[in-house]
Amino acid sequence: DAGVIQSPRHEVTEMGQEVTLRCKPISGHNSLFWYRQTMMRGLELLIYFNNNVPIDDSGMPEDRFSAKMPNASFSTLKIQPSEPRDSAVYFCASRTRESTDTQYFGPGTRLTVL
Amino acid sequence: AQKVTQAQTEISVVEKEDVTLDCVYETRDTTYYLFWYKQPPSGELVFLIRRNSFDEQNEISGRYSWNFQKSTSSFNFTITASQVVDSAVYFCALRRTGGFKTIFGAGTRLFVKA
Repeated sequence: DAGVIQSPRHEVTEMGQEVTLRCKPISGHNSLFWYRQTMMRGLELLIYFNNNVPIDDSGMPEDRFSAKMPNASFSTLKIQPSEPRDSAVYFCASRTRESTDTQYFGPGTRLTVL
Repeated sequence: AQKVTQAQTEISVVEKEDVTLDCVYETRDTTYYLFWYKQPPSGELVFLIRRNSFDEQNEISGRYSWNFQKSTSSFNFTITASQVVDSAVYFCALRRTGGFKTIFGAGTRLFVKA
């Protein structure tokens, strides 16, 4: 079975450019999470979707960040305009609705903003 | 408020040594789940175990074992006869039953030297 798929795996861009990160959750999973990992702040939850609807985006750092989930098999995290402090590894995770279930993470996208 | 503390920032052992990674948590919830994840140098986050707060039985999986003690709010992870491939960052995490937000500890970086 395919796990959570993220693309690109690495992204290098210049300050001010728009960046779009993509995620395909595990088939049948109806909850999707975007995390950011940095050395300073560890793993931070950015936003959580349930059945394609954003439930909690309180972790989104600022208006430059936006996330969408147009259907059950695809989500994007966009940063516009990007800044050097956005450099981090961005993980997508998914799980089923049942509260017992476990989040499974994608391989992450390493973003470098120059 | 929920909190997960992994007091050990880094641990270094020699191959074949046993090593225990500590995890202490805080929660006011009566039911919750505890998790361990492994992040090898390649960067992905790999799920290792989930434990329900009702189940205090220790668990063993090959060289890995977990000791859950509700009385001390601890969920420690022991690797027996460590191997170089065990070198990774290990995260302990907590989520209340029915909740969506998983609280991660800061992680413990384990170095296993040949």
